[in-house]
Amino acid sequence: EPEVTQTPSHQVTQMGQEVILRCVPISNHLYFYWYRQILGQKVEFLVSFYNNEISEKSEIFDDQFSVERPDGSNFTLKIRSTKLEDSAMYFCASSEDMGRINYGYTFGSGTRLTVV
Amino acid sequence: SQQGEEDPQALSIQEGENATMNCSYKTSINNLQWYRQNSGRGLVHLILIRSNEREKHSGRLRVTLDTSKKSSSLLITASRAADTASYFCATEGLGGTYKYIFGTGTRLKVLA
Repeated sequence: EPEVTQTPSHQVTQMGQEVILRCVPISNHLYFYWYRQILGQKVEFLVSFYNNEISEKSEIFDDQFSVERPDGSNFTLKIRSTKLEDSAMYFCASSEDMGRINYGYTFGSGTRLTVV
Repeated sequence: SQQGEEDPQALSIQEGENATMNCSYKTSINNLQWYRQNSGRGLVHLILIRSNEREKHSGRLRVTLDTSKKSSSLLITASRAADTASYFCATEGLGGTYKYIFGTGTRLKVLA
């Protein structure tokens, strides 16, 4: 069954450093998303991406965050200057459609980001 | 906000029993999904129910949606120890919002 792949599975970074989280969505999917989950809390929407541009972003997704689809397969989330409160599990997801019709998202297994 | 709230927050049952989890939300939706998350792992899509549907089944899962009450329920029948996980509802608002709002989740523990 097709999977969304995220790398690395765990990343530790110093506060103030830049991190790039990588995702390979399912190949025929057109919509891409990043969500995050702070430990013990609910899953929060960060950003959605379609046709090489951001479709929607949350208030969490400030100027420190950016997304890119640098080639035909990867979808990346960059945090420019990490803060302690950025520590969370980051999930990438993709969908064939907007999820409105039938299929929902396929999520990756996540990258656990720890900012120290 | 469109936030979903699940209840109960935690549920502990014996293997073989049925588990019912509820989700309430605040604004009108296009559809609602249920996801499962094993501890520290990714989210697995279970069922999507559209706003014009009232009930959906998938194996041992049954989902209902009552848009008049802005609520949904997930029933797992004949539970197994392997069903132990957190279960989340996620709602998509009207108007093509390109995002889902997740609820706070129900932690289900099935005792063997």
